[in-house]
Amino acid sequence: GEDVEQSLFLSVREGDSSVINCTYTDSSSTYLYWYKQEPGAGLQLLTYIFSNMDMKQDQRLTVLLNKKDKHLSLRIADTQTGDSAIYFCAESRYGGSQGNLIFGKGTKLSVKP
Amino acid sequence: DVKVTQSSRYLVKRTGEKVFLECVQDMDHENMFWYRQDPGLGLRLIYFSYDVKMKEKGDIPEGYSVSREKKERFSLILESASTNQTSMYLCASMRVTEAFFGQGTRLTVV
Repeated sequence: GEDVEQSLFLSVREGDSSVINCTYTDSSSTYLYWYKQEPGAGLQLLTYIFSNMDMKQDQRLTVLLNKKDKHLSLRIADTQTGDSAIYFCAESRYGGSQGNLIFGKGTKLSVKP
Repeated sequence: DVKVTQSSRYLVKRTGEKVFLECVQDMDHENMFWYRQDPGLGLRLIYFSYDVKMKEKGDIPEGYSVSREKKERFSLILESASTNQTSMYLCASMRVTEAFFGQGTRLTVV
């Protein structure tokens, strides 16, 4: 099965909150990441969370980690049209220092005015 | 400013051609990666490298090879390009908590 799973699409109205969910399988993953990809561009790191944390907040972004259920979520408060993009969840393998990242298929967020 | 540079944004090659995709990073990272991105399939790891002259197969290495002769440069080679290798190719360079990506190379094999 998939290592990292996410829903493929999410549509919200401008000003609402967006919540993008992800499940992963490797319980030994040290870091979990959220990347953003705008059309025609590479991936840009939005935020990451260390596996011994439950929550991380960075301005409009809140990451929640449920390690027991291997569930990661990204909440974007006050979603703007500029937040429209594909969001990838990723887990590190082999601790992230000499490891590699395993990505989900990405969630396409559409923000309607 | 951190930078990962891929040599081409767009490439069109013929079936059977040998294709080189180049990636250079200026951050002195040991770890470098090649992914391909296809609609509905997300990013799939082709090859990665932990150090100069070292390489490891990822999830889909068939039809590809790599070269890491210098720390800053990681090349992806398609020995004999095929139409099913038409894709977006993304190079990344990694430190402990973050992978930095290039802008991608959109390769079309005709």
